[in-house]
Amino acid sequence: DTGVSQDPRHKITKRGQNVTFRCDPISEHNRLYWYRQTLGQGPEFLTYFQNEAQLEKSRLLSDRFSAERPKGSFSTLEIQRTEQGDSAMYLCASSLAVSRATQYFGPGTRLTVL
Amino acid sequence: EDKVVQSPLSLVVHEGDTVTLNCSYEVTNFRSLLWYKQEKKAPTFLFMLTSSGIEKKSGRLSSILDKKELFSILNITATQTGDSAVYLCAGENSGGSNYKLTFGKGTLLTVNP
Repeated sequence: DTGVSQDPRHKITKRGQNVTFRCDPISEHNRLYWYRQTLGQGPEFLTYFQNEAQLEKSRLLSDRFSAERPKGSFSTLEIQRTEQGDSAMYLCASSLAVSRATQYFGPGTRLTVL
Repeated sequence: EDKVVQSPLSLVVHEGDTVTLNCSYEVTNFRSLLWYKQEKKAPTFLFMLTSSGIEKKSGRLSSILDKKELFSILNITATQTGDSAVYLCAGENSGGSNYKLTFGKGTLLTVNP
């Protein structure tokens, strides 16, 4: 399968714990995006990488959230001291670094914070 | 702040009906309008529209963009139960080096046999 992959697919954690998600983009894609989706809403932009550089972060990304893409390939999204409001689907997308490139989404990681 | 509004939020039809889904947008540095289909998992890409008035077609699905009225529609003809899904519309902002998408809430389409 050469699409975007995410791991884990589901994560249940207790409030206050730290969690980390991984995204592997399509191999030749150098742009990578993280979005968050809650029930009944469309995905909301969190952050964006071009290669290893994090070029934009949304105001939604509080200081408890951190994302990395150390070698310009896979990316991790960490949430520290999770809160119940962090419960959502976390989606990763990737695209080529050309004009009007389509973003392709991974299957998402569904986080439930108890 | 960029904004995308979809209507209706939900729609129930019978197999064989034709449906039209609406999307209006206010996106700074607008580059393109995208449609995705989401069936309980990741959104899957349908169309990218960049020019006004040019219809894109894929089988029974078609879409068109009106950049003057800041509006797009997605048409599905001869609907099938497999078309049941959430259809998401997104505006692409290409300000600076960012190409982020702003999504609407989606239209939940249910096609009954």
